[in-house]
Amino acid sequence: NAGVTQTPKFQVLKTGQSMTLQCAQDMNHEYMSWYRQDPGMGLRLIHYSVGAGITDQGEVPNGYNVSRSTTEDFPLRLLSAAPSQTSVYFCASSYRRGRQETQYFGPGTRLLVL
Amino acid sequence: EDQVTQSPEALRLQEGESSSLNCSYTVSGLRGLFWYRQDPGKGPEFLFTLYSAGEEKEKERLKATLTKKESFLHITAPKPEDSATYLCAVQATNNFNKFYFGSGTKLNVKP
Repeated sequence: NAGVTQTPKFQVLKTGQSMTLQCAQDMNHEYMSWYRQDPGMGLRLIHYSVGAGITDQGEVPNGYNVSRSTTEDFPLRLLSAAPSQTSVYFCASSYRRGRQETQYFGPGTRLLVL
Repeated sequence: EDQVTQSPEALRLQEGESSSLNCSYTVSGLRGLFWYRQDPGKGPEFLFTLYSAGEEKEKERLKATLTKKESFLHITAPKPEDSATYLCAVQATNNFNKFYFGSGTKLNVKP
């Protein structure tokens, strides 16, 4: 199993540009999520999905879109990049069985918006 | 409002010097409390999930405990390879699809 994979590893954008951060998992997990990590602020939830076709907002959804057409993929779209979106982005997927849950994270995408 | 606070922000230990990291939380109803380890430039790595006050889990030199208001990550006789940032997160019963993370404790273990 590759686990959770993310591409690209690093990206530089100019203000106003759009891009898609890719996330894929091969563990057949229904729950997937996107976080951003900023210095001193911990991880903050952007969007999550509980299955194909089902997405919802997290704490900081503004400026980001998601869709989930398959169980494996959960891309994050930046519509019009702003310097405030400079951050490290992590995708995660969760194994859930009853109350038991284990969350697996990808290696991250470092985004710099100029 | 659901909230997680970790302390201290940073901790420096000598190899073999045991200590504890704290995670205090405020949540309407706790479904689960999670501990992760994060190495520089990498994604968080799952360590433990705790579900009920009084619960304890162990893995090598790490032991996590849970009360109704906080969790502790005890590190016994740490080694330099235990150096990392340790993150805590909570999941509430009223919406278990949302996780709230603390800002982490950066642990540095010197040989």
